[in-house]
Amino acid sequence: SQTIHQWPATLVQPVGSPLSLECTVEGTSNPNLYWYRQAAGRGLQLLFYSVGIGQISSEVPQNLSASRPQDRQFILSSKKLLLSDSGFYLCAWAGGATQYFGPGTRLLVL
Amino acid sequence: AQSVTQLGSHVSVSEGALVLLRCNYSSSVPPYLFWYVQYPNQGLQLLLKYTTGATLVKGINGFEAEFKKSETSFHLTKPSAHMSDAAEYFCAVSGASEYGNKLVFGAGTILRVKS
Repeated sequence: SQTIHQWPATLVQPVGSPLSLECTVEGTSNPNLYWYRQAAGRGLQLLFYSVGIGQISSEVPQNLSASRPQDRQFILSSKKLLLSDSGFYLCAWAGGATQYFGPGTRLLVL
Repeated sequence: AQSVTQLGSHVSVSEGALVLLRCNYSSSVPPYLFWYVQYPNQGLQLLLKYTTGATLVKGINGFEAEFKKSETSFHLTKPSAHMSDAAEYFCAVSGASEYGNKLVFGAGTILRVKS
């Protein structure tokens, strides 16, 4: 069966510091991969999605970037964090129409 | 463009009562529809989905939803609420695109179950 992992589970970072969040999927190949952010009172916002290695589409202009160095690995990065980057970051994978979510990373920028 | 409207950001029911969470969507293509549940500090868990075929869809934990094309609705129901159903519920719609299926989510409904 397929499983999706995210780490770290929680992260507290100072403003201006870099960020790297990792997502990996097991038990499937060539999945579509997605990064979402959930901020208080703002629902789920799609940040990036990828249909293959090196193929990244950005949904909203922002301080973040994404990369897919391997088929089942999706990384969310920032060079300098802003206070507004705080939130709950969710990774998801899909082999068809249905998306399956990871456990999430809680990021607090101080 | 697709959109989802969830009526009621908070719904409160008594334990054992009917749960009804409302979802209306708009889509220019035949939609795929989903309900997810999120418990505090956890990821989203798929409750059920409609893609094609039978319009009454049964999911996990006793939940079901009915796709009504004429009403553009996909309301979520459960005959008898349990305390463990307290969570946030998200309705989502998807339409195929050349860049992969993207989900558009509603704003979410927080379900409170009173003892």
